[in-house]
Amino acid sequence: KAGVTQTPRYLIKTRGQQVTLSCSPISGHRSVSWYQQTPGQGLQFLFEYFSETQRNKGNFPGRFSGRQFSNSRSEMNVSTLELGDSALYLCASSLAGTGGEGYTFGSGTRLTVV
Amino acid sequence: SQQGEEDPQALSIQEGENATMNCSYKTSINNLQWYRQNSGRGLVHLILIRSNEREKHSGRLRVTLDTSKKSSSLLITASRAADTASYFCATDAIGNTPLVFGKGTRLSVIA
Repeated sequence: KAGVTQTPRYLIKTRGQQVTLSCSPISGHRSVSWYQQTPGQGLQFLFEYFSETQRNKGNFPGRFSGRQFSNSRSEMNVSTLELGDSALYLCASSLAGTGGEGYTFGSGTRLTVV
Repeated sequence: SQQGEEDPQALSIQEGENATMNCSYKTSINNLQWYRQNSGRGLVHLILIRSNEREKHSGRLRVTLDTSKKSSSLLITASRAADTASYFCATDAIGNTPLVFGKGTRLSVIA
């Protein structure tokens, strides 16, 4: 079966711009979680969507937002980009989004803000 | 914020040796998972252990969990160069709480 697909793989943006990242989960998975990974902070939880509803949210400013569509595909948006937003953004899909199952991760989107 | 803390931060061993990584966490958990990440790529799920389990095996992997000490260990036996990667533990609490990751152990297996 197809894995988790994240697009684009790489992105270079300028400070102040906005960006939208996309994640297509494994067919049948209803939960999509987003993480930001940086060398200094490690993997930080952004938010989780389940059946089109945001179920959990991490400690990130309101510039970070997301949504999930009826086909479970998810997008995250970062507005007014800052240099510190440069990171690898990972999405993970799972059946129910509980910790009682392994998550399947995409390959990530590498965002560079200049 | 990180729930788990892996130890050591980096580990370098010879091929064929065993590698042991430890994870400590702060609050009560429901499950603990281990993931592997090859350089700059997505994470791959390795093994899940529930809070009422003490030990689990999967191929060359052995995971233990000590909830009284709030710690877990991952043992990779007979390591191979292909095991070179970063290893992360991740925990969740009871209820629909997100999976929270530690900062990882970087393992280098030298052929």
